[in-house]
Amino acid sequence: DGGITQSPKYLFRKEGQNVTLSCEQNLNHDAMYWYRQDPGQGLRLIYYSQIVNDFQKGDIAEGYSVSREKKESFPLTVTSAQKNPTAFYLCASSIAESYTFGSGTRLTVV
Amino acid sequence: GNSVTQMEGPVTLSEEAFLTINCTYTATGYPSLFWYVQYPGEGLQLLLKATKADDKGSNKGFEATYRKETTSFHLEKGSVQVSDSAVYFCALIRPGAGSYQLTFGKGTKLSVIP
Repeated sequence: DGGITQSPKYLFRKEGQNVTLSCEQNLNHDAMYWYRQDPGQGLRLIYYSQIVNDFQKGDIAEGYSVSREKKESFPLTVTSAQKNPTAFYLCASSIAESYTFGSGTRLTVV
Repeated sequence: GNSVTQMEGPVTLSEEAFLTINCTYTATGYPSLFWYVQYPGEGLQLLLKATKADDKGSNKGFEATYRKETTSFHLEKGSVQVSDSAVYFCALIRPGAGSYQLTFGKGTKLSVIP
């Protein structure tokens, strides 16, 4: 079955460390997205990519980085510059207005 | 810019009660409108959508009508079940912006008690 896979489901990071969240899709979608979800804040766009080797900043890109070397993969790195990284991170892919979301990664800084 | 405003939660209802979650939007042109649902610990699933004025989206007993004159897309269900407990997000995509970016409301948490 086609879908989008995020891993790991839970991730713990020490302060000052970088950590990379994985997102893989086999839907042949060109566009991919990363969102951050905090209680009461809804979903905020971090980065998006409409095509391989190209990506754009979203509303809250500071402290994050991405790459898009393959159509299937859009990993997100949370760097030590992100002041408050504890959150739920959702990856999505789309073709036109049809979106598919992953099941999320919960990142906790310890 | 584009924005979506939905009613604050949490909302707690008894089983079989009537549900309304209000959603209004600000956008130029004619956006497509969506309701997504998020069950605990999961990603988002599309619940229903409408792409033009006066369209009614429906799924699993939920309905929402695209009202251009009031810029609204309120979600309704006649009789909620415990299994409807989730967070509901109203969202829009504004066409012609060069990409199909979703703009979300802040979400409304619904709890249905037996």
